[in-house]
Amino acid sequence: KNQVEQSPQSLIILEGKNCTLQCNYTVSPFSNLRWYKQDTGRGPVSLTIMTFSENTKSNGRYTATLDADTKQSSLHITASQLSDSASYICVVSDRGSTLGRLYFGRGTQLTVWP
Amino acid sequence: EADIYQTPRYLVIGTGKKITLECSQTMGHDKMYWYQQDPGMELHLIHYSYGVNSTEKGDLSSESTVSRIRTEHFPLTLESARPSHTSQYLCASSDSAPGELFFGEGSRLTVL
Repeated sequence: KNQVEQSPQSLIILEGKNCTLQCNYTVSPFSNLRWYKQDTGRGPVSLTIMTFSENTKSNGRYTATLDADTKQSSLHITASQLSDSASYICVVSDRGSTLGRLYFGRGTQLTVWP
Repeated sequence: EADIYQTPRYLVIGTGKKITLECSQTMGHDKMYWYQQDPGMELHLIHYSYGVNSTEKGDLSSESTVSRIRTEHFPLTLESARPSHTSQYLCASSDSAPGELFFGEGSRLTVL
């Protein structure tokens, strides 16, 4: 069964600290993996998208890694800010058909305290 | 910044009412999607469209219906709302499948 599991479910850190969020997936055949940031009451916004051949991708203070062999990804946030408080969602796409299908994780709720 | 808009952002209605959630995008994307999201849960695809006059049901069974008469417009309709329809509804679009998704701000529906 194709699944996407994220950990931790929630995380509280102090402003300025770094953190790492985890995503494990069983989706096969794999096409790409995306990380989205979703502020409370808003729609998700794309942070990164990585294909099979990409190991690392950065977007400002956000760095995503992908290990396609172990089917794991992480999102590292450097020097956290209050505005980083949000849910971070891992999404994996398969290539089982020309249309592709998206599998969503439940997200990690990050809270940054001053 | 994505140019995809949803209205209304918030809606509280009584049981049995008919509602339409509007979604419009100005990016010229062929692909549009409706997702349902409950607190702490993953997004579930309820409808998608790959072009004008093309609509399909998603993975999650839904009593809602959609139409795609124009490329930029993808409204979702509930003929008779029930409390079980209370949820957040997110509209998204992409220029390819499975391409990058651009989401609207969402419509939070509460049915009393």
